[in-house]
Amino acid sequence: DIQMTQSPSSLSASVGDRVTITCQASQDISKYLNWYQQKPGKAPKLLIYDAFNLQTGVPSRFSGSGSGTDFTFTINSLQPDDIATYYCQQYDDLPLTFGGGTKVEIK
Amino acid sequence: DVQLVESGGGLVQPGGSLRLSCAASGFTFSNYAMSWVRQAPGKGLEWVSTITSTGGDTFYADSVKGRFTISRDNSKNLLFLQMNGLRAEDTAVYYCAKQMEVILTQFDNWGQGTLVTVSS
Repeated sequence: DIQMTQSPSSLSASVGDRVTITCQASQDISKYLNWYQQKPGKAPKLLIYDAFNLQTGVPSRFSGSGSGTDFTFTINSLQPDDIATYYCQQYDDLPLTFGGGTKVEIK
Repeated sequence: DVQLVESGGGLVQPGGSLRLSCAASGFTFSNYAMSWVRQAPGKGLEWVSTITSTGGDTFYADSVKGRFTISRDNSKNLLFLQMNGLRAEDTAVYYCAKQMEVILTQFDNWGQGTLVTVSS
């Protein structure tokens, strides 16, 4: 199975800050990585697919980069509405696997 | 708009069975692979099972293989998860999720989830 290691597990930042989350795959997954946002009590929402493509309707302050084993998710100018847990997920192979999540809070 | 509405969750004793349903609307259901993803209380996301658009192929996480069965009725736009031999560790919110035309793709739409609690 492909293991996805996400860091940090939680972070606290101020409104307007730039926030960066990393995700490392245990083997080369090319560009086959997605990022999801999950707000408390809600279903996950797709933000980024194929490592860097912004899902339709998602604000442009969210972005993704990387390929192979190392990936980065960035929120430029953190907003109060961005309080959530963020997950990476690989789809290079079954079983589909998720990172452990990063909880983002406002300082 | 895409809508996915799960139902069928509830409290069940260990060893019991439950059948989850997901009613899909707002897209051509028969064109897309579908999956179940679960989330134990306070934990992360775990892929459970995927079915191809035609229903001809199914895939399972090792943790549920042999106990759970995914199926679909394309004439009624319904996705199912039959869960047998339930264990305490199956307690979770179960989400129905739409993928693209093939199975190795993103989950681009999710239902609101249905809670399954396995306890005596």
